Amino acid sequence: GDSVTQMEGPVTLSEEAFLTINCTYTATGYPSLFWYVQYPGEGLQLLLKATKADDKGSNKGFEATYRKETTSFHLEKGSVQVSDSAVYFCALMPIQGGSEKLVFGKGTKLTVNP
Amino acid sequence: NAGVTQTPKFQVLKTGQSMTLQCAQDMNHEYMSWYRQDPGMGLRLIHYSVGAGITDQGEVPNGYNVSRSTTEDFPLRLLSAAPSQTSVYFCATRQGNQPQHFGDGTRLSIL
Repeated sequence: GDSVTQMEGPVTLSEEAFLTINCTYTATGYPSLFWYVQYPGEGLQLLLKATKADDKGSNKGFEATYRKETTSFHLEKGSVQVSDSAVYFCALMPIQGGSEKLVFGKGTKLTVNP
Repeated sequence: NAGVTQTPKFQVLKTGQSMTLQCAQDMNHEYMSWYRQDPGMGLRLIHYSVGAGITDQGEVPNGYNVSRSTTEDFPLRLLSAAPSQTSVYFCATRQGNQPQHFGDGTRLSIL
């Protein structure tokens, strides 16, 4: 079945450091790919998405490129801030109809220190 | 525009009690889902609905019931609470192929 694997955390960085959170997937065809962010005490919010190969999603300085050849959707940010501290989830939406199952990775907790 | 509203935000139950977690949306979205979030497990789908009157099981449906009598509401019922159901529960909605919108969650503890 479809699955998402993302790097285990927690990840701790200093402010202004470069961030990469790896995400790879297994799926049939070309699923849509997402990154969600969950700030402490809150629900999940969509951060960015990509719907086809080579698409780049971007938002708030974060970027991720849909790589079909490596089945990856790694999240990057050039200079993190303390306010980026959160849990980040990679997810895919299968292309087959009839199922509402959005497949999530297990989440990666990011802590950014001043 | 409230989006997805979950109530209550926090709840403590005793083993064996029953309760209903409420989820309401004002976006007229077709799809509604319930997930539970546990440490190290990510989000797991409990039940979902593709429209009023239609529900189906997700990955971890045991111990939970749902119904979808209206487009707006999708309550999740715990029939007889167990400590293993201690978790954070999220309701989500979506329309078509658009990304899901999540509520803020209900934190449930079962003693």
